[in-house]
Order: sequence, then structure tokens, then C-alpha cells
Amino acid sequence: AQSVAQPEDQVNVAEGNPLTVKCTYSVSGNPYLFWYVQYPNRGLQFLLKYITGDNLVKGSYGFEAEFNKSQTSFHLKKPSALVSDSALYFCAVRDGTGGFKTIFGAGTRLFVKA
Amino acid sequence: GAGVSQSPRYKVAKRGQDVALRCDPISGHVSLFWYQQALGQGPEFLTYFQNEAQLDKSGLPSDRFFAERPEGSVSTLKIQRTQQEDSAVYLCASSPRQPSYEQYFGPGTRLTVT
Repeated sequence: AQSVAQPEDQVNVAEGNPLTVKCTYSVSGNPYLFWYVQYPNRGLQFLLKYITGDNLVKGSYGFEAEFNKSQTSFHLKKPSALVSDSALYFCAVRDGTGGFKTIFGAGTRLFVKA
Repeated sequence: GAGVSQSPRYKVAKRGQDVALRCDPISGHVSLFWYQQALGQGPEFLTYFQNEAQLDKSGLPSDRFFAERPEGSVSTLKIQRTQQEDSAVYLCASSPRQPSYEQYFGPGTRLTVT
């Protein structure tokens, strides 16, 4: 069965510092991995995805994520956090061998302090 | 271009009432997903359509939940005899056919059952 774990309910970081939001996954086939962000009173927005190829993927707003197959992780990173990055972040996984169901983590709230 | 739209944005129903939630996907998007998001949780998969075919309904919590997409565009999620535990935000998302594509989410319908 597919599953996603986001071990941190909340991450606090100072503006200008690097940030990491953690995600681990379990899927029987090839993983398709996604990060989405949810700002207050706005819908979920796509940030980036890993399908195949380079383990380091780059996405919107300067975010990137590293796929680690041996650790079954897909941590979200940004070299220098902005106050405007404060939001709720969701990791999601889909079985790339033909499944349609996408499983989301419980979310991690990121607070960036000025 | 227009994104995914959902209506109504807010719905209050008395326990036992039937409700219908509408989703207008992005034009041309073949895939359509419904999710249920409880407060403080990530979206939980309910069902998936490819055009008018409902290919996965494994996430529907009970036979009170029914979804349709008769012409392969607009979709309706119907909940019969609503219960308090049905209170949640119902999200609709669409994507092009390829399973690797990210999903584009609507703003959601917040259902409150009293």
C-alpha cells in the first residue's frame, strides 16, 4: 500500500536561512513524487515533481527537492527562506506503474520569521 | 486561462440531507480527481475519472457517496443522508492524461453538517 510520512507538523526558520521540509514514502512500484503548497484561503498549488531522471529536481519559487531511493525520501529544500514562503506544504506520491490514486501526507506548516 | 472551479464554495446541510458538489475542470483535462480534506489533514483520495469513466472509486467512504462525470467534463460528487463525519473540505483536481502530470486543484467546497 502507498503511504507518505511528513514527520514534522511544523518547521520554523529565520528569513535568509536554508529550509528543509521532510518527506518519506512507501509505494510498491516506481514512485511519482510531488510537492504542493497551500497558502491561506487559496487552493493547493503544484511546486515540483520527480518522475524519473536527475535526483535533484527544481521547481517554482526557488524550491528544489532531492529524491533518495535508498532512503525512500523526497525532502523539500530552499537555500534561502523568505517570509512569503510561510504556508502549508504537502508531499504526495503516486504509483507510477499504472495506479491512479495519489496519497498525500498530513502536511507540514512552515513559519519563516523575519 | 480558467482554472478548476467548484461550487458551492460553502455548504451547510442538516444531518440526513442530500448534497451535490460540482466541479468544472480545466478544459481539455482528461483526468479528474475528488479528495476529502479534514481539518488539519492532507487530502484523502476519493475517486478518479478518466473522461467519463470512473476508474477508481476505492476511496469513497461509504455507499452514501456517489460521483459522476457523464460527459467527461463537469463532475458532481453527491453525498446522500449526510452525517456529521462528512464535514470536510471537498477538493476537485484535474490533470492531462499522462499519470506523471501534476494536478490542478480547485478552491474546494467546505461542507458543514449540523
